[in-house]
Formats: sequence, structure tokens, C-alpha cells
Amino acid sequence: DAGVIQSPRHEVTEMGQEVTLRCKPISGHDYLFWYRQTMMRGLELLIYFNNNVPIDDSGMPEDRFSAKMPNASFSTLKIQPSEPRDSAVYFCASSSIRVPRVFVQETQYFGPGTRLLVL
Amino acid sequence: SQQGEEDPQALSIQEGENATMNCSYKTSINNLQWYRQNSGRGLVHLILIRSNEREKHSGRLRVTLDTSKKSSSLLITASRAADTASYFCATDVGSGGYQKVTFGIGTKLQVIP
Repeated sequence: DAGVIQSPRHEVTEMGQEVTLRCKPISGHDYLFWYRQTMMRGLELLIYFNNNVPIDDSGMPEDRFSAKMPNASFSTLKIQPSEPRDSAVYFCASSSIRVPRVFVQETQYFGPGTRLLVL
Repeated sequence: SQQGEEDPQALSIQEGENATMNCSYKTSINNLQWYRQNSGRGLVHLILIRSNEREKHSGRLRVTLDTSKKSSSLLITASRAADTASYFCATDVGSGGYQKVTFGIGTKLQVIP
């Protein structure tokens, strides 16, 4: 398996532009996570999906951020309009609950991240 | 504030020495995980220890968990230059349903050849 795939790896855009980040989770994984990492705030969970359904989006900073998972092999994180304070590294991760009905977090597999710079 | 907080925030040692990093957390957990992040890369899972376990080994890694003190430590023995990375502890929070994982701010380890 190629692991979690993210694109683009780097994105430089101007304030006000729309940014779309993409993620392909590991095949067979039923959980997908979006994180944001900055020096000031560390690694923050933005949203996670289970079986393509958003479960918890309480970490999404504001309405400018939206995430979708149209199918089990693809997810997007969109920022519209982007602002300089959105500059960060955005990670996608996936995992699988291996023990049904015992809800214990198991290993998350991270993608390489998208480094976003909003000018 | 972060559920898990690593200590120290930065650590510099000579190759061959042991490195110890600590993690403290606030609320009860089901398990605790340690991850490594090399510069410019995603996080890589190292080891998971469950709340009913006290110690776990994986190669040169040794993790301990003290639930009474709400703390964990990661020991890397005989460190190598390739161990230079940031190390994060991750704890699950919440009750019932899927346990959401929260990461600490990390310990930046530098191993000097």
C-alpha cells in the first residue's frame, strides 16, 4: 500500500483565494482525520470522518473551512477565502478500528502533509 | 490546553546516549501512543500502551505508563543520529463511541553524531 496520499505537497496562494487540499486514505481504513500543525498551536484535529460521514468537526476554526468525503477513497479540505493565519502544514491521517464494538483508538497513519502559505 | 504535554520541549544528546521524554496528561485515558515526526514529514506511529499496561518495549524503545500520576515516559536507548526528530504523545479523550486522540506539543530531540 502506498500509504496516505496528500496533494498538493506545497501550496502558495494569495489572501482571499480558495484553497483545496486532497487526501487519499489507506484502502480499507474507515476513519479519516484532518489535522493542522503550526509552531504556536502544535497539532490540532480539525475534523474526522467515519465511513465517509463527518463525526466531529468541532476543531474546524471557522466557516471558511469545510471538508468533504464523497467516497471511501477521497477527501477534501477547502478554505474559502484563505487568510495568512491559515498558513500551516495540513495533515491527513487514516485508521481502522480493529475490534468492533470496542471503541479504542488504534494507530493513525499520516500522510506527508500539505505545506500551505497564504500571502 | 493540550491533553498531553511532553517534557522537555527540546533535548540534545550525544549519539549512543539514552534519551528520555515524558508526557503528562489530565484526564483518564484508554491508551497512550507515541509518534515520531521527522522534519518536513508526517507523524509515524511508534508504540501504543493501554491503560492496563505499565511497560512496553519495541526494539530500542521502552515506554512506561503510570496512570496514578497520569504520566508516561519514552526511553530511546543507544540513540543514533537518525533518531533526531520530534516525538509526540497522543492520548484518547472522551467516553463512549470513538475516542478522539489529542496530541501534545512534542519534544524535539537532537542526537549529535
